[in-house]
Amino acid sequence: DGGITQSPKYLFRKEGQNVTLSCEQNLNHDAMYWYRQDPGQGLRLIYYSQIVNDFQKGDIAEGYSVSREKKESFPLTVTSAQKNPTAFYLCASSIGRGSAGGEHNQPQHFGDGTRLSIL
Amino acid sequence: GDSVTQMEGPVTLSEEAFLTINCTYTATGYPSLFWYVQYPGEGLQLLLKATKADDKGSNKGFEATYRKETTSFHLEKGSVQVSDSAVYFCALRSGGSNYKLTFGKGTLLTVNP
Repeated sequence: DGGITQSPKYLFRKEGQNVTLSCEQNLNHDAMYWYRQDPGQGLRLIYYSQIVNDFQKGDIAEGYSVSREKKESFPLTVTSAQKNPTAFYLCASSIGRGSAGGEHNQPQHFGDGTRLSIL
Repeated sequence: GDSVTQMEGPVTLSEEAFLTINCTYTATGYPSLFWYVQYPGEGLQLLLKATKADDKGSNKGFEATYRKETTSFHLEKGSVQVSDSAVYFCALRSGGSNYKLTFGKGTLLTVNP
């Protein structure tokens, strides 16, 4: 089945440590996204990538980094500069620009998330 | 910029009750509108969508109509079930926001037997 796989499901970080969250999709989607979810705040966009080897900052990019070396993979690194990393992280993908009917008509498909906690 | 406002929860209903979750939006241009559902411990699943004014999205008994004149996209279901208990997110996507999804804060629905 096509879908988005996030791993691990639970992750613990020590103070001063960088951790990397994995996101892989086999939907052949061009665009991929990372969101952070906190209780009562909905989803906030961290980074997004509309094509391989290109990505843009979202609304809360500070303390995070990404790479997009392959179409199917979009890992997120939570660096030690992120002072409040405890949250639920969601990865998503969608058909990119050039899709029939326009990109804005296309929904985003989500993984099951990674819950990050601080030790 | 784009924004989505949805009714605050939590919403608690008895099984077979009628559900409405209000959603209004502001956006540049002509956005597409979506409802997503999140079950406990899981990611978001697309519930329904509408891409132009007066379109009605529907799925699993849920419906929402794109109302341009009132900038609204209210979610409704005629008879809820215990299995509908989840968090519901209204979202929009427009060219004015560089195709990013803008979410409301979510509404927690609990359905009691």
